[in-house]
Amino acid sequence: ETGVTQSPTHLIKTRGQQVTLRCSSQSGHNTVSWYQQALGQGPQFIFQYYREEENGRGNFPPRFSGLQFPNYSSELNVNALELDDSALYLCASSLPSGTAKNIQYFGAGTRLSVL
Amino acid sequence: GQNIDQPTEMTATEGAIVQINCTYQTSGFNGLFWYQQHAGEAPTFLSYNVLDGLEEKGRFSSFLSRSKGYSYLLLKELQMKDSASYLCAKPGAGSYQLTFGKGTKLSVIP
Repeated sequence: ETGVTQSPTHLIKTRGQQVTLRCSSQSGHNTVSWYQQALGQGPQFIFQYYREEENGRGNFPPRFSGLQFPNYSSELNVNALELDDSALYLCASSLPSGTAKNIQYFGAGTRLSVL
Repeated sequence: GQNIDQPTEMTATEGAIVQINCTYQTSGFNGLFWYQQHAGEAPTFLSYNVLDGLEEKGRFSSFLSRSKGYSYLLLKELQMKDSASYLCAKPGAGSYQLTFGKGTKLSVIP
C-alpha cells in the first residue's frame, strides 16, 4: 500500500467522449505525476504538477490536461477520446524535486477502455 | 535522449538467481530506479542507484555503472511471487520525471 488512491478503477467510454480521472496523493507529498501505460509497455510520462502548477509535460497533445488542488489531489482530463487512449493511467506522488531520492509512489491505476 | 533498453522476457526456476539488465543513454544522468509491477497492479519501488556499485536489499540487489550506462537487478532465491514485470526508469536531466523502459516480464517456474 503506497497511500496513493485512484478512481475509478475501470472505465469504459466511446470515441469522442471526455473523461476525468482522479488521484489522491500520499500524505506529505505535494508533487503528482501522471503516466499512461499501454499493454506490454512501460509507463509514459504525461505531466507533473507541483503546488497546483504544471511542472513539466511529456509528448502528449493538449487534449490531455490536468489540475492539482490545494490538498495536492489531482485530476487528469482527456477530451475527444481516441481508440489509442485505451490504457492504464497511473498517478504517482512524490516529495518535491531536489529531495533526496525523490521516489515516486504509484497508485493502482485506472483502466480506461475506449470503444 | 533517454533510450532505455531491457530484455522483453526472462524465465527462471524457483530458488535460482536471475539478473535483469538495463542499458541507458548516459547524458543528464540523475540516478536509476527499478520498480516491480505485478499484472494489473501499480509499479512498486525496489531500488534507486545514483553511485556506482552494488546495493543489496534482502533478496534483491541493484548494480550501477555510470560510465557504461548499465544497471542490473539481481534477484536471489527466486519465489513464485517474483513473477512480475521489472521496470528500469531514469529521471530526466534537471527534473524527476521518469522515463521507463518497456519492462522485463519475469516468469518463475517450479
